[in-house]
Amino acid sequence: ETGVTQTPRHLVMGMTNKKSLKCEQHLGHNAMYWYKQSAKKPLELMFVYSLEERVENNSVPSRFSPECPNSSHLFLHLHTLQPEDSALYLCASSQDGGTVNEKLFFGSGTQLSVL
Amino acid sequence: GQNIDQPTEMTATEGAIVQINCTYQTSGFNGLFWYQQHAAEAPTFLSYNVLDGLEEKGRFSSFLSRSKGYSYLLLKELQMKDSASYLCASLDSNYQLIWGAGTKLIIKP
Repeated sequence: ETGVTQTPRHLVMGMTNKKSLKCEQHLGHNAMYWYKQSAKKPLELMFVYSLEERVENNSVPSRFSPECPNSSHLFLHLHTLQPEDSALYLCASSQDGGTVNEKLFFGSGTQLSVL
Repeated sequence: GQNIDQPTEMTATEGAIVQINCTYQTSGFNGLFWYQQHAAEAPTFLSYNVLDGLEEKGRFSSFLSRSKGYSYLLLKELQMKDSASYLCASLDSNYQLIWGAGTKLIIKP
């Protein structure tokens, strides 16, 4: 148990569907992240929130929409996705975000398949 | 550009020692991380190095050479449960993590 919980663990959706991924951290951290992990590729940082404000958006397509209602919860809203969006989506948290030697705590991810 | 290189896959025998190498080229440097990720599970923190040298934590050790842009993770007395992917990540001058693609380690009996 890493203190970061993601739901659902698996998701299959069509290109016209709308779905949301949920992440919750129980560690009292101030920063939360969404990463995309594709097979044999480096982790891709998608979004960063610090104290509930978005501080980074790495040129992610608008079909991905994050939401951070409070410091413990993070959502990723999905709509009109493409098959190439199929990947493992990882949520992470850290104490403050953007400081030296600050380690990340990851959730187990949502394995997304877009048909 | 910024780049992290690590082998895609390695195989080792239970009880043996294995060294997983990582070379990095980043804009500035604020330290290097190693994470372990078992299949379908969360990556978990293993180590952080910012100064040259070897740091030991039980069966796992991590080494850094800043002048060579090089790090390695050393795993001793390998156990079957060490079968996992090992992710190397460098923290650049803007405190952005630059990730490698990971090394899948297969342990055979």
